[in-house]
Amino acid sequence: GNSVTQMEGPVTLSEEAFLTINCTYTATGYPSLFWYVQYPGEGLQLLLKATKADDKGSNKGFEATYRKETTSFHLEKGSVQVSDSAVYFCAPAGGTSYGKLTFGQGTILTVHP
Amino acid sequence: KAGVTQTPRYLIKTRGQQVTLSCSPISGHRSVSWYQQTPGQGLQFLFEYFSETQRNKGNFPGRFSGRQFSNSRSEMNVSTLELGDSALYLCASRPAGTGSLSAYGYTFGSGTRLTVV
Repeated sequence: GNSVTQMEGPVTLSEEAFLTINCTYTATGYPSLFWYVQYPGEGLQLLLKATKADDKGSNKGFEATYRKETTSFHLEKGSVQVSDSAVYFCAPAGGTSYGKLTFGQGTILTVHP
Repeated sequence: KAGVTQTPRYLIKTRGQQVTLSCSPISGHRSVSWYQQTPGQGLQFLFEYFSETQRNKGNFPGRFSGRQFSNSRSEMNVSTLELGDSALYLCASRPAGTGSLSAYGYTFGSGTRLTVV
C-alpha cells in the first residue's frame, strides 16, 4: 500500500513569507498525488493535485510538482496570507491502493499579520 | 450543485451504545468513502463503497460497518461504542469510472463529530 511522510509542524510564518511543506511518499504503481486543506471546524478541501510525473498542480497561489525520482510532492506558496492558516495534508491515492487516500499526519500552518 | 452532506453534524453517545451516521454524496457520484480523524491517529481510511458493494476496507474492528444504497447514499454504523471511537467521521465522494480519481479527487463533507462518554 501507499504511505506518506509529511513535514512536522506547526509552521508559523509572517504574512507574505514563502511557504514550503515537504511531503514524500512510498507507493507501488503510479499513484495520483493530492494536497488537501482543512480549516477549523470543517472537512477537507482539495487544494491541488497531480496525476503523473513532472505534473505541476496549482491553485490559489499554491503549487506542487510530482517528482517521481525523489518520490516527493512538496507544497509551496510564494506569499502566504493570514487566511491560509489551516492544516495541510498530503495524500497519494491509486496505484495498488486504488480508491483509498493515504494521508500524512498533517501540517498546521499559522500565518501572523 | 450541492456538496457532500453528512448528518448529524454532532453526536454524543454513551459507551456501549451504537450509532449510525449518514452521508449523501454529490449528485452523480457513485463512490463513497469514509475516514476517521482523531488527534492521535490522524486520518484513517475506514471503507469505500461503489454500487452498493464494499470495494476496500481499512484496519478497523468489525464493530465498524457500512452500506450504500441504490441512490448512492451511504451509512456507517459503529456498534458497542468505546471512548476511543470519539472522532470526526468524514465522508467523501467521487464520480465512478476509470480515471475519475485522478481527474477529480475526492470531495469531502464537513463531517460528523462523535463524542462517546
